[in-house]
Amino acid sequence: EPEVTQTPSHQVTQMGQEVILRCVPISNHLYFYWYRQILGQKVEFLVSFYNNEISEKSEIFDDQFSVERPDGSNFTLKIRSTKLEDSAMYFCASTQGENTEAFFGQGTRLTVV
Amino acid sequence: AQSVTQPDIHITVSEGASLELRCNYSYGATPYLFWYVQSPGQGLQLLLKYFSGDTLVQGIKGFEAEFKRSQSSFNLRKPSVHWSDAAEYFCAVVLPEYGNKLVFGAGTILRVKS
Repeated sequence: EPEVTQTPSHQVTQMGQEVILRCVPISNHLYFYWYRQILGQKVEFLVSFYNNEISEKSEIFDDQFSVERPDGSNFTLKIRSTKLEDSAMYFCASTQGENTEAFFGQGTRLTVV
Repeated sequence: AQSVTQPDIHITVSEGASLELRCNYSYGATPYLFWYVQSPGQGLQLLLKYFSGDTLVQGIKGFEAEFKRSQSSFNLRKPSVHWSDAAEYFCAVVLPEYGNKLVFGAGTILRVKS
């Protein structure tokens, strides 16, 4: 069964450092998303990406965040200068079309120290 | 305010007992509705979804959910819980007129006692 894969599963970084979280969406999917879940809180939408551009972003997704689809398979989330409050589980998801079910990766647990 | 509410933070049921997890939404239009499950250290797995049509939806692992427009609810049910059902359950909605993003409830942690 096709699945969304995320790497790494766990990353520890120092405050102020840049991190890149990687995702390989399902191959025939066209819409890509990042969500995050701070420990003990709701899963929150960060950004959606379609046709090589951001289609929607939340207020969380400020100038410190960026997304990229550098090739035909990877979808990355970059945090330029991490803060302690960026510590969270980050989930990548993809959908085949608009308003179809989202398939989630296993998540990357980011810890900023 | 527009929101998705899961009023129960924790629920404990005995193995073999029935289960109902509550979900309410407060949006003017009927959203698309989903239930996801997250086992410890795992990602989010879709249990079932409602877009339109029959308001009783069957999902994987023996789960079902019923959409009740009058109550703005989409409660998840299972007639007989297994120990492996212990996990966190998330209700989520998509409002098509506001894009494709999922809006999640806070989650309900299910504990199963033997």
